[in-house]
Amino acid sequence: TQLLEQSPQFLSIQEGENLTVYCNSSSVFSSLQWYRQEPGEGPVLLVTVVTGGEVKKLKRLTFQFGDARKDSSLHITAAQPGDTGLYLCAGPKTSGSRLTFGEGTQLTVNP
Amino acid sequence: EPEVTQTPSHQVTQMGQEVILRCVPISNHLYFYWYRQILGQKVEFLVSFYNNEISEKSEIFDDQFSVERPDGSNFTLKIRSTKLEDSAMYFCASSELGAIGNTIYFGEGSWLTVV
Repeated sequence: TQLLEQSPQFLSIQEGENLTVYCNSSSVFSSLQWYRQEPGEGPVLLVTVVTGGEVKKLKRLTFQFGDARKDSSLHITAAQPGDTGLYLCAGPKTSGSRLTFGEGTQLTVNP
Repeated sequence: EPEVTQTPSHQVTQMGQEVILRCVPISNHLYFYWYRQILGQKVEFLVSFYNNEISEKSEIFDDQFSVERPDGSNFTLKIRSTKLEDSAMYFCASSELGAIGNTIYFGEGSWLTVV
């Protein structure tokens, strides 16, 4: 079974601070996706990383895929209250069609 | 922007009743999925559907569950006889191609409460 472990599970910071959340696995993933989920809503895709070592930027969010494609990180610069949410990483099996999700990091940015 | 739409947004049903959750995937997508999320737990894969048949299913997707694409636009999940433990948010999703290397888009979810 391919498992994705996210850390930290909970993170509460002040507006303007920087933060990094991690998504780790002992298995290789062909790609990883990062989603943000609000309470009572579906996951909303932020980014897909495909190539080992890839770095993608989305405004203040920087996503990195590990060289070995076993881990990924999400760095947020100058966090804002609007960044509050559950951040999920997910990846497909190397074969087959299902996505495996991590447990998520619940981020709270306080004004 | 195209999106996956789901109905109903919330349904309360009595244990033992049948429930059908409906989804309209993004129109040019070929792969369709159902996932569920029990309150406070991680999102779990139920089933994937391609070319009018199930391509993969998880151990959760037992004989109580079935999926159907009754016409060119709808994709449904049926739970034949609901149990208390079926209470969860059910997400429909779709992708243009299979999950590997491709983006999966999720609907807003249908919150099912079994009483």
